Amino acid sequence: QVQLQQWGAGLLKSSETLSLTCAVSGGSFSDYYWSWIRQPPGKGLEWIGDINDRGSTNYNPSLRSRVTISVDTSKKQFSLNLNSLTAADTAVYYCVRRPGCSSGSCAFDYWGRGTLVSVSS
Amino acid sequence: IHLTQSPSSLSASVGDRVTITCRASQGISNYLAWYQQKPGKAPDLLIYLASTLQSGVPSRFSGSGSGSDFTLTISSLQPEDFATYYCQQLNVYPPTFGGGTKVDIK
Repeated sequence: QVQLQQWGAGLLKSSETLSLTCAVSGGSFSDYYWSWIRQPPGKGLEWIGDINDRGSTNYNPSLRSRVTISVDTSKKQFSLNLNSLTAADTAVYYCVRRPGCSSGSCAFDYWGRGTLVSVSS
Repeated sequence: IHLTQSPSSLSASVGDRVTITCRASQGISNYLAWYQQKPGKAPDLLIYLASTLQSGVPSRFSGSGSGSDFTLTISSLQPEDFATYYCQQLNVYPPTFGGGTKVDIK
C-alpha cells in the first residue's frame, strides 16, 4: 500500500521560509510526479508544483518566484521550500502522487495527511 | 484554465440522485478528475480521465463529459457521501481545481 508521510514546522512568522518533506513508502518512486497542493482554511485546493524522479520540476506561476521543490531518490523523499511567507500562505499543505498521463490516471491518487502551516505576523 | 462547478452547495436526502457539473474555460479533452473531501481529511480520488472509476470507489459514482462540460453523478446518495466534491483538470499546466460543491443533508 502506497503511503506518503509528511513533516515540517507548522507555526512560522511572516518573511520566514516554509520547509516540508514527504517520504514515500510501499510503491515505486519512478514514473510518477510528486506534487505539493495546499488548501487555506475553509477554501479550495491550489496546486503548488511538482517534481519527477529525474528532478524535473513544474511550478504554479503564481508562486514560482518563491517555491523550490527538490527530490532525494535514494531516500524516496521530496521536499517543498516556500520563502517570504505572509499570512496568505496559511494553509494545509499536502504531498501528493500523480501517475503520468501517457500511461496512468493523470490524477492525484495518493495524498499525505496534510500539515497545517500557520503564518503569523 | 478556470473550472466552474455548480452548484456550489446542495442539500439532498439519502437515496437521492445527485448531479454536479464542472465547466472548463477552454477544452480539456478528457483530462478531468473528481475528488471527494470530508472535513479534516485529504481529498480522495473518485474518477479520472472524466469517466474511469478509481479502484475501490463504489459504482454509484459515475462521471461523464469531454471537451469543456463534465458531470459527476451519484446514483443513490448514501450517508457516507455527504462531503465536498472537487473537479480538477490536467490538460494544461498548471493543474487547477474547481471551487467545490458541498453536499449536505436535507
